[in-house]
Amino acid sequence: QVQLQESGPALVKPSETLSLSCTVSDDSIDSASYYWTWIRQHPGKGLEWLGYIYHTGSTYYNPSLRGRATILFDRSKKEFSLKLTSVTAADTAVYYCAREIVVDVLYYFDSWSQGTLVTVSS
Amino acid sequence: DIQMTQSPSSVSASVGDRVEITCRASQTVGSRLAWYQQKPGTPPKLLIYLSSTLQSGVPTRFSGSGSGTEFTLTISGLQLEDFATYYCQQGNTFPKTFGPGTKVDLK
Repeated sequence: QVQLQESGPALVKPSETLSLSCTVSDDSIDSASYYWTWIRQHPGKGLEWLGYIYHTGSTYYNPSLRGRATILFDRSKKEFSLKLTSVTAADTAVYYCAREIVVDVLYYFDSWSQGTLVTVSS
Repeated sequence: DIQMTQSPSSVSASVGDRVEITCRASQTVGSRLAWYQQKPGTPPKLLIYLSSTLQSGVPTRFSGSGSGTEFTLTISGLQLEDFATYYCQQGNTFPKTFGPGTKVDLK
């Protein structure tokens, strides 16, 4: 069973860049069967899909982020990362990294990290 | 974006009860609908994918049905460990979207 572990600062100042990394425990990061995804959950609220990166390096982001998000690979570390620029208090949330199976008609998130609360505050 | 709605938003139930949660999509998602269970302080856990396929290790009291725009999650014989919040999620179209959640609590 793959393990995902995110890391990064718990506190970010308004207008700065939120940076998180997610380490993948096995070699599935190189597989064509998965999208590597970031999802967030505002305190006491529902889940918001932020975007993904595919093994080819292609990405897709939620238009609601208005171009502020970038997801990258660091294959040497078996990691993918999220950068979110110009953050505001509205970006305060628990951030999860997750693996989405994308095989044939199957599209679902089968593995999730534990989640990390990122607070945007001065 | 495909909007997902769930009803009810919360339900109070007793151990042994049958609970049904409905999820509706604003446009068809085929069968690309998954259900997740989330308990406080933990990530969502996949229960069902492709509308009705039970994830490995998930008890058979959980079942899912539906296609197109209307889906149902049924818990037959609620257990103490099932008190949680349940989310549906469409995997058909970007951006992927989740329902707002249904909280199942103890009556």
